[in-house]
Amino acid sequence: EPEVTQTPSHQVTQMGQEVILRCVPISNHLYFYWYRQILGQKVEFLVSFYNNEISEKSEIFDDQFSVERPDGSNFTLKIRSTKLEDSAMYFCASSEAGLAGWETQYFGPGTRLLVL
Amino acid sequence: RKEVEQDPGPFNVPEGATVAFNCTYSNSASQSFFWYRQDCRKEPKLLMSVYSSGNEDGRFTAQLNRASQYISLLIRDSKLSDSATYLCVVNWNRDDKIIFGKGTRLHILP
Repeated sequence: EPEVTQTPSHQVTQMGQEVILRCVPISNHLYFYWYRQILGQKVEFLVSFYNNEISEKSEIFDDQFSVERPDGSNFTLKIRSTKLEDSAMYFCASSEAGLAGWETQYFGPGTRLLVL
Repeated sequence: RKEVEQDPGPFNVPEGATVAFNCTYSNSASQSFFWYRQDCRKEPKLLMSVYSSGNEDGRFTAQLNRASQYISLLIRDSKLSDSATYLCVVNWNRDDKIIFGKGTRLHILP
């Protein structure tokens, strides 16, 4: 069964450093998403991406965050200058079509980011 | 008012019992509804969509009550492997954004 993959599984970084989290969505999917989940908290939507541009983003997704699809397979989330409060599990997801309906999203296993 | 609200639990239920939990949502324009399951430190996985007419998948039954703005999940003949956190998920405004509830923790006891 096709699956979403994410690398690295764990990342430790110093406050103020840049991090890039990588995702390989399912190959025939067209919509891509990033979510985060702070330990013990709910899963929070960050951004959705379609046709090489952001289609939706949340209040969390400020200027410190950016997304990119640098080639035909990878989808990345960059945090420019990490803060302590960026420590969380980051999930990538993909879907064949947009979410305005009953479309299923498939989640990757997540990258656990720890900012020291 | 919180957008998607769930009883955090935990629900401690003996194996074989039936358990049900609800989720309320604040936006009456909500379009689509889902139950996801999340195991500890794992990614969310879709359990089932929730349709207006209600739907069943094996031991799991989901229902939607638009008038009262809640969805429910019923698990019959619970198994040890049903132990997980159940996330209520809502999409509204026909956009590419979904809102997660904080989840209800379920422990099935042997």
